[in-house]
Amino acid sequence: AQTVTQSQPEMSVQEAETVTLSCTYDTSESNYYLFWYKQPPSRQMILVIRQEAYKQQNATENRFSVNFQKAAKSFSLKISDSQLGDTAMYFCALLNYGQNFVFGPGTRLSVLP
Amino acid sequence: DAGVTQSPTHLIKTRGQQVTLRCSPKSGHDTVSWYQQALGQGPQFIFQYYEEEERQRGNFPDRFSGHQFPNYSSELNVNALLLGDSALYLCASSYDRGTEAFFGQGTRLTVV
Repeated sequence: AQTVTQSQPEMSVQEAETVTLSCTYDTSESNYYLFWYKQPPSRQMILVIRQEAYKQQNATENRFSVNFQKAAKSFSLKISDSQLGDTAMYFCALLNYGQNFVFGPGTRLSVLP
Repeated sequence: DAGVTQSPTHLIKTRGQQVTLRCSPKSGHDTVSWYQQALGQGPQFIFQYYEEEERQRGNFPDRFSGHQFPNYSSELNVNALLLGDSALYLCASSYDRGTEAFFGQGTRLTVV
């Protein structure tokens, strides 16, 4: 069975500071993908960043970057220069190729002015 | 491109009733997946439709059923509603087994 764990139910960060959200996962597959999704109060899931498991290089999208530790099955998200608009629920998700998303329970991030 | 659209946005039903939720996928996408997101939790996979057939199913009872139409739009039906069915229902579309999925804004179902 595939599982995704997010151990931080809530986090807060000051505007312009850096914050790291943690995620661990478990899968027996070798071909899989990892994602971070943002869900603001509007409810729509918005893709923040994705990582292919076969790539060793950590993915980066502007202020968002990941630390992918495949052996440890860890996939953390770093948000630099936090902005008020980053306030949202963040979900870590695992996708085994050809299957469905498995989501973690989420981390509620508040960016404080 | 309108992206993934879901209707209605909110719905209130009485326990024991039946409900139908609708999803139109992003243009060019042929696969639709449905997820249930209870309050304060992550989304849980219900099922996926491709070529008008249910291709995968999560751990949900038979009260949950679906359909996909030739234009790739999809419906989620829930019979004999329970209070525990109250949740946000998300639709995601993708191209076949592609890893790029787009989500709709969801339908908030409240069962009273």
